[in-house]
Amino acid sequence: GIQVEQSPPDLILQEGANSTLRCNFSDSVNNLQWFHQNPWGQLINLFYIPSGTKQNGRLSATTVATERYSLLYISSSQTTDSGVYFCAAQRGYGNKLVFGAGTILRVKS
Amino acid sequence: EAQVTQNPRYLITVTGKKLTVTCSQNMNHEYMSWYRQDPGLGLRQIYYSMNVEVTDKGDVPEGYKVSRKEKRNFPLILESPSPNQTSLYFCASSLFSGRAPGELFFGEGSRLTVL
Repeated sequence: GIQVEQSPPDLILQEGANSTLRCNFSDSVNNLQWFHQNPWGQLINLFYIPSGTKQNGRLSATTVATERYSLLYISSSQTTDSGVYFCAAQRGYGNKLVFGAGTILRVKS
Repeated sequence: EAQVTQNPRYLITVTGKKLTVTCSQNMNHEYMSWYRQDPGLGLRQIYYSMNVEVTDKGDVPEGYKVSRKEKRNFPLILESPSPNQTSLYFCASSLFSGRAPGELFFGEGSRLTVL
């Protein structure tokens, strides 16, 4: 099955800094999503982005399907951005969605 | 309000005592799925369903059952729970395009402890 790898595993930022999180996947995908799990455990969908670029406020994401990676950009980070960021990918019809191990982000004030 | 609702949110039970974790969504989504989250192992898919009466195994289906008799509900059944099923469980739903699920919406999670 498809392999999903995220980097870095951990990231500590000062409030106001920018960051880039990376998601590599081992095969072509027809589904790529980014999620944020806040410190209370809630999982929130950030982007559904099998290809192209999307922006939502301070967050944006780009998926380059031919190169098999996706990037999540966080600009002007805030303490509320802390938590774990997951990407998940799927290949083929009806196949299972596979999650990466996540990037733990800590934003310090 | 559009949401995925799981119950119970917290449960402590004993080995072998059958339990059901319910999941309901009010967004008319075709696709529903169950995941478990364990430290160091991330999120792993247990079962998924692409529509009513259509279910399939994910990565870790052993020890679990599901059913999809109605579009809105997708219960997770542990027939004989064991301590290795102690975990944080998430239900999720999305529209289904015909090839892949769309934007996934998660429930708030159910923390299960099996003694």
